[in-house]
Amino acid sequence: ETGVTQSPTHLIKTRGQQVTLRCSSQSGHNTVSWYQQALGQGPQFIFQYYREEENGRGNFPPRFSGLQFPNYSSELNVNALELDDSALYLCASSLPGETEAFFGQGTRLTVV
Amino acid sequence: AQSVTQPDIHITVSEGASLELRCNYSYGATPYLFWYVQSPGQGLQLLLKYFSGDTLVQGIKGFEAEFKRSQSSFNLRKPSVHWSDAAEYFCAASPSGYSTLTFGKGTMLLVSP
Repeated sequence: ETGVTQSPTHLIKTRGQQVTLRCSSQSGHNTVSWYQQALGQGPQFIFQYYREEENGRGNFPPRFSGLQFPNYSSELNVNALELDDSALYLCASSLPGETEAFFGQGTRLTVV
Repeated sequence: AQSVTQPDIHITVSEGASLELRCNYSYGATPYLFWYVQSPGQGLQLLLKYFSGDTLVQGIKGFEAEFKRSQSSFNLRKPSVHWSDAAEYFCAASPSGYSTLTFGKGTMLLVSP
């Protein structure tokens, strides 16, 4: 077990709705990254937060947004959900400058 | 563009046989390289990583990987596969090791009795 927890584990939303996914990072880890893993694909980097500031972003539209809180927990928000947003969303935490990222078990989002 | 390629989508290996999963990368300079394993419905677990130095790296669960600069490869190996090794394996790379990873599409390992 990595100490990174995500909630909820599963979620079903309707197209056009908004969703918030949560991640509690491993103790002491102030860097959080979010990844989207579509079925049959490898994870794709969405964005990274370091000390509550966005610290890098992948090729995702602005309707994907995030927050990091002072306790280093994090949220991923997706607005105007589309069917293609259906995926496993993974959160990973790490120490700055450290190369090992610890992944949570993910949130399975289904958009219908 | 930076990319990681895993040529094999599925591999079936008999229990007790050896295993090699292939990974090729395309980066301007040698990236940091990783192998992760994902069991059904689970997150990713790091098996091993390579930054520099000895090109043969040892990981957890009896896995090892060999970095070959001339082939831009980082193949994962295990001498004797166990049924519990059945899972999906992802090769990943990072230009600087700061947690922003580029993943391959994964190789699903099936273990036959």
